[in-house]
Amino acid sequence: DAEITQSPRHKITETGRQVTLACHQTWNHNNMFWYRQDLGHGLRLIHYSYGVHDTNKGEVSDGYSVSRSNTEDLPLTLESAASSQTSVYFCASSESTRVEAFFGQGTRLTVV
Amino acid sequence: DQQVKQNSPSLSVQEGRISILNCDYTNSMFDYFLWYKKYPAEGPTFLISISSIKDKNEDGRFTVFLNKSAKHLSLHIVPSQPGDSAVYFCAATFSGSARQLTFGSGTQLTVLP
Repeated sequence: DAEITQSPRHKITETGRQVTLACHQTWNHNNMFWYRQDLGHGLRLIHYSYGVHDTNKGEVSDGYSVSRSNTEDLPLTLESAASSQTSVYFCASSESTRVEAFFGQGTRLTVV
Repeated sequence: DQQVKQNSPSLSVQEGRISILNCDYTNSMFDYFLWYKKYPAEGPTFLISISSIKDKNEDGRFTVFLNKSAKHLSLHIVPSQPGDSAVYFCAATFSGSARQLTFGSGTQLTVLP
């Protein structure tokens, strides 16, 4: 079955470290997204991509970057982790012709 | 400024009764609305969607109603089951956005046996 997987599921890192969260989907979807979930805010869009070599900033992109070198993967990098980036991160993908996106199981990141 | 709002953080309902979850939005450009369900330690799961040209969409026990003039939508679950206990997120999107989703803050539904 096609799926979307995130790794790691849990990560603890120190302030100032660079961290990369992986996202891999096997649906061959063109659109991929990164969201963060925080209490009281729901899910907020960090970055998104329409296809290979395309990346765009979302609502809360400061301190984050993404790259899209193939259809399947959209890694999220925190350049210099801050305590404010402690959150649960979700990757999602969707077909260009559909409205619904499919989500990974999430990565819980703690910055100490 | 939240464009999609879920004003009830929590809702408790007796098993077998109807659950009604509400959502308000402010952006008139939204043309699709979606509901997602989320269990702890899992990713959100798509439930049901509705186009802005419709006022109702039904899928089994789940029905979504859209009132465009009031900028309001609701999700009805009938009958409610204990397995429906989860956080429900309302989301909206518009065609010019490459289908980015704007989410509400979620409502925790608890269905009591």
